[in-house]
Amino acid sequence: GAGVSQSPRYKVTKRGQDVALRCDPISGHVSLYWYRQALGQGPEFLTYFNYEAQQDKSGLPNDRFSAERPEGSISTLTIQRTEQRDSAMYRCASSLAGAGEQYFGPGTRLTVT
Amino acid sequence: AQRVTQPEKLLSVFKGAPVELKCNYSYSGSPELFWYVQYSRQRLQLLLRHISRESIKGFTADLNKGETSFHLKKPFAQEEDSAMYYCALSGSSGYSTLTFGKGTMLLVSP
Repeated sequence: GAGVSQSPRYKVTKRGQDVALRCDPISGHVSLYWYRQALGQGPEFLTYFNYEAQQDKSGLPNDRFSAERPEGSISTLTIQRTEQRDSAMYRCASSLAGAGEQYFGPGTRLTVT
Repeated sequence: AQRVTQPEKLLSVFKGAPVELKCNYSYSGSPELFWYVQYSRQRLQLLLRHISRESIKGFTADLNKGETSFHLKKPFAQEEDSAMYYCALSGSSGYSTLTFGKGTMLLVSP
């Protein structure tokens, strides 16, 4: 079946604009994770959902970042008033359950100019 | 705080040579350790996890709790092993958010 999908794959936005990044997990996967990866770094945890409940948002860098998963499937990561330092690859992963193997999407490359 | 250290940004070897990608971790409890791989133009994927004790594509990794290490090894590297490798740690908190190292690029030359 289809793997994790993310859209858009590439996003260029001007500083100060809001962006919404979408993640469509593997069907039936309970857990969904967002990571951010800066150039030359490993992925860094942002937030995590079980079904529609946001279980951990300790990795969100500030209150400009938010995420939701209203129906326990598709998730949206929103960045308000983007800044240049937000430029990174944003990765989504899903797993059958909390401790299961995480399957990653292709990522969204965000560039803030 | 949990941390994963991969000391080498780049490891370059010839085909048929042994490979060891180093990974050290810091965690106060009993972690789960993983190796993820990203081949060119592909997504990040799980290579192996320590609890399964499998050998995948000829790679093995042993968790050494005394040295807090989880080095990835392969006796004879192949050109198709060229990729970015990330070591990752999951804590024992009941769910598996991952803490990644910075990654090591492995280049296998013919």
